[in-house]
Amino acid sequence: DSGVTQTPKHLITATGQRVTLRCSPRSGDLSVYWYQQSLDQGLQFLIQYYNGEERAKGNILERFSAQQFPDLHSELNLSSLELGDSALYFCASSPSWTPQGVNSGNTIYFGEGSWLTVV
Amino acid sequence: GDSVTQMEGPVTLSEEAFLTINCTYTATGYPSLFWYVQYPGEGLQLLLKATKADDKGSNKGFEATYRKETTSFHLEKGSVQVSDSAVYFCALSAGGSQGNLIFGKGTKLSVKP
Repeated sequence: DSGVTQTPKHLITATGQRVTLRCSPRSGDLSVYWYQQSLDQGLQFLIQYYNGEERAKGNILERFSAQQFPDLHSELNLSSLELGDSALYFCASSPSWTPQGVNSGNTIYFGEGSWLTVV
Repeated sequence: GDSVTQMEGPVTLSEEAFLTINCTYTATGYPSLFWYVQYPGEGLQLLLKATKADDKGSNKGFEATYRKETTSFHLEKGSVQVSDSAVYFCALSAGGSQGNLIFGKGTKLSVKP
């Protein structure tokens, strides 16, 4: 058990709908990350928050958005869903945020993921 | 940009065989290197890590050495078990705007009794 909690574990929804995935980081971790795992794209970084502020953005679609709340939990909102959005969405957390080019050995711990199926 | 390349799978071994999964990286700085494992139907678990050149990470009988001269971080285990069947991901920590982790495509390992 990594200490990162994600809900729901499984979700089936129709095209065009909107869903919200929730993540509680490990106790004491300030950074939250969202990753998408799909068969064709592999593991892709979506977005990172540190202590409530967006710190890094990856391949996140405009239809997707995220936020980190004052209690440090995070939500990933996926809207206007398409069949291709079906994937396993991981949340991860770490104690800190590493600036570019700095090797801090910062370890990122992953939750068990939320399986999203769009039909 | 920074990237990770790991050997294509699937890899099928018999129990007690020796395992090597190759991983090489490209990075402008000096990243930390990680192996994560994903067991069937589960999330990603950190298997081991190394934060500087010549460091050896080890866990559950798995080892990997950070080789700066060959930009490699190959995963090895002397005697695999059926329970090691999983997908293994090599990753590097890039920091900053790259979200800290860049993953390889994963290598699926199947161990037969």
